[in-house]
Amino acid sequence: DAMVIQNPRYQVTQFGKPVTLSCSQTLNHNVMYWYQQKSSQAPKLLFHYYDKDFNNEADTPDNFQSRRPNTSFCFLDIRSPGLGDAAMYLCATSRDRTGNYEQYFGPGTRLTVT
Amino acid sequence: AQSVTQLGSHVSVSEGALVLLRCNYSSSVPPYLFWYVQYPNQGLQLLLKYTSAATLVKGINGFEAEFKKSETSFHLTKPSAHMSDAAEYFCAVITGTASKLTFGTGTRLQVTL
Repeated sequence: DAMVIQNPRYQVTQFGKPVTLSCSQTLNHNVMYWYQQKSSQAPKLLFHYYDKDFNNEADTPDNFQSRRPNTSFCFLDIRSPGLGDAAMYLCATSRDRTGNYEQYFGPGTRLTVT
Repeated sequence: AQSVTQLGSHVSVSEGALVLLRCNYSSSVPPYLFWYVQYPNQGLQLLLKYTSAATLVKGINGFEAEFKKSETSFHLTKPSAHMSDAAEYFCAVITGTASKLTFGTGTRLQVTL
């Protein structure tokens, strides 16, 4: 089945130690998104790639970076995680950016910062 | 800017009872509206979407939603709740060519015996 895969499902990192979260897709979608979801809150968009074009949300901290080396893979890098970065990180894809195309979500990676 | 408001952060129903989860939107242009469900420690799964084709939208797992422009609402319903429906439900909106899904704050549905 075509899907969005996130690895690892659970990640523990230390305060200030860089961490990378991975997302891959077999849907061949043009757009890949990264969301942050804190406990009991709605997902919040961090940034997205439209093909190779990177689009950052205005309020996304500089501590968060992303890479998309090819259509299938997208990475979220947190350069110096703080305690406030503990959250569920969700990757999503869509065929295009208009409302006609829904977003498909991966299972998420739960990040713990110690 | 577009937004959605979900009334009721927690809703509890008995198994077999009607499920009604409320969502109101704010948008200056015709919106695209979505309902997603999230089970604990899982990603979001699309239940249904409104893209102006029909005002009554049927989704998966017996859920449906009706777009009412006059009330700026897109409430989610299911005639008979099942224990497996217990989850967090998010209403979301995209407008025009914007790439951003704007989510409501979510409603946690509890189903009791």
